[in-house]
Amino acid sequence: NAGVTQTPKFRILKIGQSMTLQCTQDMNHNYMYWYRQDPGMGLKLIYYSVGAGITDKGEVPNGYNVSRSTTEDFPLRLELAAPSQTSVYFCASSLGRIYNSPLHFGNGTRLTVT
Amino acid sequence: AQSVTQLDSHVSVSEGTPVLLRCNYSSSYSPSLFWYVQHPNKGLQLLLKYTSAATLVKGINGFEAEFKKSETSFHLTKPSAHMSDAAEYFCVVSDQGLTGGGNKLTFGTGTQLKVEL
Repeated sequence: NAGVTQTPKFRILKIGQSMTLQCTQDMNHNYMYWYRQDPGMGLKLIYYSVGAGITDKGEVPNGYNVSRSTTEDFPLRLELAAPSQTSVYFCASSLGRIYNSPLHFGNGTRLTVT
Repeated sequence: AQSVTQLDSHVSVSEGTPVLLRCNYSSSYSPSLFWYVQHPNKGLQLLLKYTSAATLVKGINGFEAEFKKSETSFHLTKPSAHMSDAAEYFCVVSDQGLTGGGNKLTFGTGTQLKVEL
């Protein structure tokens, strides 16, 4: 009963390095999302996907890229890490197309860029 | 446009006393409203949701919330706090979908609940 799994849990990057945050879900959800959480700011949507092969930008997409080659996986890529990308990143998925379908979250990846 | 305001960034209660976490929202349409809880180093977990059925919504772990359209509020309550309730709570509003489908959610900034012995 894994739900949404994110790896790694923690990571420290140097400015300019790249990395991929992994996210996989085993609930056969079509809808997947990446959020970042900054202290006192709530969660902001980075990118989302409505199905394999389809992705779209959220509120704060700059500096990030995503892909969705399978229903299960939705990796988030940082190409040139910057200190402003220090944050906690959450992947989530949802079942329904309707806007009141609740989200299921992973446990997060805590990223520090120095 | 949708927005949500959590009126308290921190709330402290004694174990066994009532909990009140306040949330006001703004929405152009009939919104759906959610409360999520986040325990340390964990993801967010759904506590309860309102989707235009009963205005008093019961959730997990004894929490409930009342939708009051006239006051544009969706406050979260629990009659008796437990130590395990200590966490951060997020009020979330959704009144439309994202382009192409999915949920457009607007999160409040969170309320940190502390429960003391």
